[in-house]
Amino acid sequence: DAMVIQNPRYQVTQFGKPVTLSCSQTLNHNVMYWYQQKSSQAPKLLFHYYDKDFNNEADTPDNFQSRRPNTSFCFLDIRSPGLGDAAMYLCATSRGTGGQYFGPGTRLTVT
Amino acid sequence: GESVGLHLPTLSVQEGDNSIINCAYSNSASDYFIWYKQESGKGPQFIIDIRSNMDKRQGQRVTVLLNKTVKHLSLQIAATQPGDSAVYFCADFTQGGSEKLVFGKGMKLTVNP
Repeated sequence: DAMVIQNPRYQVTQFGKPVTLSCSQTLNHNVMYWYQQKSSQAPKLLFHYYDKDFNNEADTPDNFQSRRPNTSFCFLDIRSPGLGDAAMYLCATSRGTGGQYFGPGTRLTVT
Repeated sequence: GESVGLHLPTLSVQEGDNSIINCAYSNSASDYFIWYKQESGKGPQFIIDIRSNMDKRQGQRVTVLLNKTVKHLSLQIAATQPGDSAVYFCADFTQGGSEKLVFGKGMKLTVNP
């Protein structure tokens, strides 16, 4: 089945230690998104790629970076995780016409 | 700023009842709306969508109603089951805009057996 896959599902990192989360998709969608979601809140968009064009949200900290080496893969890099970065990180894809399909998320814990 | 919001933060219903989840939006240019279901520890799951040229759309046990006059969106779940317990988000999209969804705050539905 076509899907959005996120690895790992659970990630524990130390304060200040760089971490990379990955997302892959078999939907062949041209848009990929990264969201941060904290408990009892709606997903918050960090950035998205429309094809190779990177679009950063104005309030996304510089600590968060992203790479999209090809259509299928997208990575979220957190350069120096702080305790406040502990959250669920969601990857989503779309054709750019509205509907977004989400992966299962990666739960990040910062110790 | 533009926003999409939910009227109720929590809703508790009995199994078998019908559930109605409401959402207000403020962007009159919004032309596409989606309802997502998010179970604990999982990503949001697409339930149903509706475009602004429609006022009703039905799926399996779910119906979405759109009232553009009052900028109101609702999700109706028929014969609610324990498996429907989750947080429900409405989201709004503007075609030709920024390819971004605007999410509402979320509403937790609890179905009691």
